[in-house]
Amino acid sequence: DQQVKQNSPSLSVQEGRISILNCDYTNSMFDYFLWYKKYPAEGPTFLISISSIKDKNEDGRFTVFLNKSAKHLSLHIVPSQPGDSAVYFCAASRMNRDDKIIFGKGTRLHILP
Amino acid sequence: GAVVSQHPSWVICKSGTSVKIECRSLDFQATTMFWYRQFPKQSLMLMATSNEGSKATYEQGVEKDKFLINHASLTLSTLTVTSAHPEDSSFYICSARHFRGAPRRETQYFGPGTRLLVL
Repeated sequence: DQQVKQNSPSLSVQEGRISILNCDYTNSMFDYFLWYKKYPAEGPTFLISISSIKDKNEDGRFTVFLNKSAKHLSLHIVPSQPGDSAVYFCAASRMNRDDKIIFGKGTRLHILP
Repeated sequence: GAVVSQHPSWVICKSGTSVKIECRSLDFQATTMFWYRQFPKQSLMLMATSNEGSKATYEQGVEKDKFLINHASLTLSTLTVTSAHPEDSSFYICSARHFRGAPRRETQYFGPGTRLLVL
């Protein structure tokens, strides 16, 4: 059972426009959510996170929105830049510190010139 | 952010040999590290959880005798691929658990990965 789902395997966005990456989760016990960015042949890089007590967290061009009732979160990148082309992983965890972070399968973002 | 290193970054070996990959947390102590494997154009697959001072916990379907994990200190975990075969060729990535903020929240920081090619 996949607890964190990224239903879009890929997404293409024009440079300068907004990129919106979506993520759904099934476990209502998740209370902390993270986004990672990964370039080919490199390890994932932590981007931004959000706690379930918030519905929005912003860091520069990156904003994560959380809709707990819908069990949905999204990552907005604006404006999109060529260097944003990468695979983005959504992840979730529970408050219990022994729990593993659960990753989605990733969405490949292509920024078009 | 916190830094995690992996060594080597790539390795080519003959079938039947063993390969050791090191994962180090450089600026924080990690009681827990994780080992992932990634196949081309696929997601990260968690192989095992490495706990300092105790045995690793392996995910279903991962052979513990094939992939030996040792977490000897709070900053070092090693993955040894024993008797490697071509099907073990993959990109192996480690991560280290780091707690920060108040309330304490976990973030995993990943190493740069190790590409293994078994001939």
